[in-house]
Amino acid sequence: DTGVSQDPRHKITKRGQNVTFRCDPISEHNRLYWYRQTLGQGPEFLTYFQNEAQLEKSRLLSDRFSAERPKGSFSTLEIQRTEQGDSAMYLCASSEGLAGVETQYFGPGTRLLVL
Amino acid sequence: GQQVMQIPQYQHVQEGEDFTTYCNSSTTLSNIQWYKQRPGGHPVFLIQLVKSGEVKKQKRLTFQFGEAKKNSSLHITATQTTDVGTYFCAGDLDSSYKLIFGSGTRLLVRP
Repeated sequence: DTGVSQDPRHKITKRGQNVTFRCDPISEHNRLYWYRQTLGQGPEFLTYFQNEAQLEKSRLLSDRFSAERPKGSFSTLEIQRTEQGDSAMYLCASSEGLAGVETQYFGPGTRLLVL
Repeated sequence: GQQVMQIPQYQHVQEGEDFTTYCNSSTTLSNIQWYKQRPGGHPVFLIQLVKSGEVKKQKRLTFQFGEAKKNSSLHITATQTTDVGTYFCAGDLDSSYKLIFGSGTRLLVRP
């Protein structure tokens, strides 16, 4: 499968615990995005990387959230001291091409439930 | 803030009927993209519109981008049960790679 993959697909955790999600983009794509989607809403942009550089972060991304893409390939999203409001689907997408004409390809997502 | 609004929130149609969802932005868009998300699935890219007034067709789906590049529509002719899902528009405000998604229109099709 050459699409975007995410791991784990589901995560249940207790409030206050830390969680880490992984995203493996399509291999030749140099841009990688993280989005959050809650029930009945569209995906909300969190952050994106161009190769290993994190170029933009949403105000939604509180200090408890950190994302990395150390070698410009896979990326991790960590949430520290989880809160019930963090429960959502976390989607990763990757793309290549010029701004304004690129296509973002989404992974299957990691569904997080914070008890 | 910058918003992309989408209506209706839900549409329940009889198989064979047409369906349209509308997307409006508070600011001019560089381009607009449409995605389909099946229940339990992830967004899947359908199409991208870049030019003012652009119209594109994919079989029974017709996509339009407004002249002012602030609105867009997706029209499905003669819906089928396989069209079930949520359709999202996503606007690129300033060619910044960041997409702003609408809240989606959930389409249900009665067989």
